[in-house]
Amino acid sequence: ETGVTQSPTHLIKTRGQQVTLRCSSQSGHNTVSWYQQALGQGPQFIFQYYREEENGRGNFPPRFSGLQFPNYSSELNVNALELDDSALYLCASSSSWTGGEKLFFGSGTQLSVL
Amino acid sequence: TQLLEQSPQFLSIQEGENLTVYCNSSSVFSSLQWYRQEPGEGPVLLVTVVTGGEVKKLKRLTFQFGDARKDSSLHITAAQPGDTGLYLCVGGGGNKLTFGTGTQLKVEL
Repeated sequence: ETGVTQSPTHLIKTRGQQVTLRCSSQSGHNTVSWYQQALGQGPQFIFQYYREEENGRGNFPPRFSGLQFPNYSSELNVNALELDDSALYLCASSSSWTGGEKLFFGSGTQLSVL
Repeated sequence: TQLLEQSPQFLSIQEGENLTVYCNSSSVFSSLQWYRQEPGEGPVLLVTVVTGGEVKKLKRLTFQFGDARKDSSLHITAAQPGDTGLYLCVGGGGNKLTFGTGTQLKVEL
C-alpha cells in the first residue's frame, strides 16, 4: 500500500463531456504528477504540481488541466472528452521533483469514453 | 524529446527460466529506475541506479546501468509466476520523468 489514493476507480463518460479525477498524495509529499497509460504501454507524463504550482507539462493539449490544493491533494480535469482519452490515469506523489526520487503511485482511475 | 525503448515488448516464459529486459536511449540520464506494475495497480519501484556501470541486486533480480548512463538492463534468474507484470524503466532528471515503452512479462507454471 503506497498511501496514494485515487478516485473514482472507474468512470464512463461520453464524448464531449468533462471529467474530474482526484488524488490524495502520501503524507509529507509536496509533489504530484499525473500520467496517462494506454493498455500494455508505459505511462505518458501529463503534468506535475509542486507546492500548488504547475512544475512541468508533457505533450498534452490545454483541455487537460490540474490543480493542487494546500494539503497537496490534486485534481486532473479533462474537458471536451475524446474517444482517445480512454485510458488508465495514474497519479504519483513524491517528496521532491529533482530526479531519482521514489514515486508512489495510486492504483489509477480507468476512464472509458464512449 | 527523450525516449526510452524497451525490448522485448512481450515475453512469455516457463517457470525457472532466465530472462533479460533491455532499456535503451540516445539520451543521458542522471538516474534510472525500474518499476513493476501488476494488473489493476500502479507501478511499484524496484530499484534506482545513479552511477554509470552500477550493478544492483534484489534477490533474483539484477539491474545494471550502462557506463554512459544511456541504457540499463534487468536480468531475472529462475523466473517465478509472481514475477509476472509490466516492467517499466524510467529515466530521471528534472521535473519530467521519461517512462520506457514497457515489457510485459508472463511466467507460466
